[in-house]
Amino acid sequence: GENVEQHPSTLSVQEGDSAVIKCTYSDSASNYFPWYKQELGKRPQLIIDIRSNVGEKKDQRIAVTLNKTAKHFSLHITETQPEDSAVYFCAGTSSSYGKLTFGQGTILTVHP
Amino acid sequence: DTGVSQNPRHKITKRGQNVTFRCDPISEHNRLYWYRQTLGQGPEFLTYFQNEAQLEKSRLLSDRFSAERPKGSFSTLEIQRTEQGDSAMYLCASSLAGGPGELFFGEGSRLTVL
Repeated sequence: GENVEQHPSTLSVQEGDSAVIKCTYSDSASNYFPWYKQELGKRPQLIIDIRSNVGEKKDQRIAVTLNKTAKHFSLHITETQPEDSAVYFCAGTSSSYGKLTFGQGTILTVHP
Repeated sequence: DTGVSQNPRHKITKRGQNVTFRCDPISEHNRLYWYRQTLGQGPEFLTYFQNEAQLEKSRLLSDRFSAERPKGSFSTLEIQRTEQGDSAMYLCASSLAGGPGELFFGEGSRLTVL
């Protein structure tokens, strides 16, 4: 089955800096890669996703890149703000019904 | 609020007791998933329903765990003879049919087994 590894486990940045979180996956058939943000005590919420037929996707301050050959994908957050502080999870799936395998999570702290 | 709702939000029980969690998905979603999340970890897949049919169960789901989705609407997750290792957040999510896409999660049901 799919295995997703995520790094780093914690990331601390100053407000305005960029943050990058990286994930690798094992199943070459995986075709959908979402990123979820989970604030303390809250539900995970989708912030951006990418499918295997594209290499990059942007949405305002966040972007995701995908390298299918190397089987890794990354989340990029620019101009970080304190409200970006949360746990971020990457995930992947090769399942036709969208069963996701999640990474271990990255605790992002943005210092004002 | 038309999102995914779960209850109870918190459950404290003694080892050996049975507990049941309920999930009400977004009404037009025919896919429903249960995940388990422990502190410092990502959600782990437990089981998946397409309408009322349970189509996949993880090896994590021992025979003490049972899930149902009668009539393809709400779902229940029952844990029998709870153990301390069952302490976790149990998350429910739903999604629309079609290819893989966004999962909409509930707030979760936190189980503490004493």
